[in-house]
Amino acid sequence: GAVVSQHPSRVICKSGTSVKIECRSLDFQATTMFWYRQFPKQSLMLMATSNEGSKATYEQGVEKDKFLINHASLTLSTLTVTSAHPEDSSFYICSARGGQGTDGYTFGSGTRLTVV
Amino acid sequence: QKEVEQNSGPLSVPEGAIASLNCTYSDRGSQSFFWYRQYSGKSPELIMSIYSNGDKEDGRFTAQLNKASQYVSLLIRDSQPSDSATYLCAVNRGRDDKIIFGKGTRLHILP
Repeated sequence: GAVVSQHPSRVICKSGTSVKIECRSLDFQATTMFWYRQFPKQSLMLMATSNEGSKATYEQGVEKDKFLINHASLTLSTLTVTSAHPEDSSFYICSARGGQGTDGYTFGSGTRLTVV
Repeated sequence: QKEVEQNSGPLSVPEGAIASLNCTYSDRGSQSFFWYRQYSGKSPELIMSIYSNGDKEDGRFTAQLNKASQYVSLLIRDSQPSDSATYLCAVNRGRDDKIIFGKGTRLHILP
């Protein structure tokens, strides 16, 4: 089945620094990937849609200059949290529609970001 | 009105019984419906998808969809302790086909 690899699984950074999260589709090409954020005991909130070869589209209320998305190839999307603050601490998850024959959307394993 | 609504629970069900999880959605343009299971600290995993009105069965799981009532449900038969998790209902947004999640229902299977 379709596999989405996400790294790192956990990261702790200092306030004011930037953190990059990678999401790779391992056995299929993903022209579109989605980035979600999940706070404790809350649902997944769609942040943005990453489009290969073009600009990402952001959901209302999500700062595009703070959450930089790059989708440079058909198998890799990155999310960079710039100038991170403690309130950015969350679980970030990417997803992509699986390859041919795969139903639904496949999720990466998630990144637990803690900003101290 | 929230786009996807679920009872947050917890829903406690005895082992071996049927667990019933419900979800309503607001977008009449939605055409794709999913149930995901999420264990604490992990990412969601797909359990079922359903696209047409009626029932869809897969092993111990049955998804039910009623588009007229904007209602989708998941039944888990012969509940096992390993079924204890948060179940997320997800629906595609009609205007752009993006997937939107409900808050999830925490299910606890009592041994």
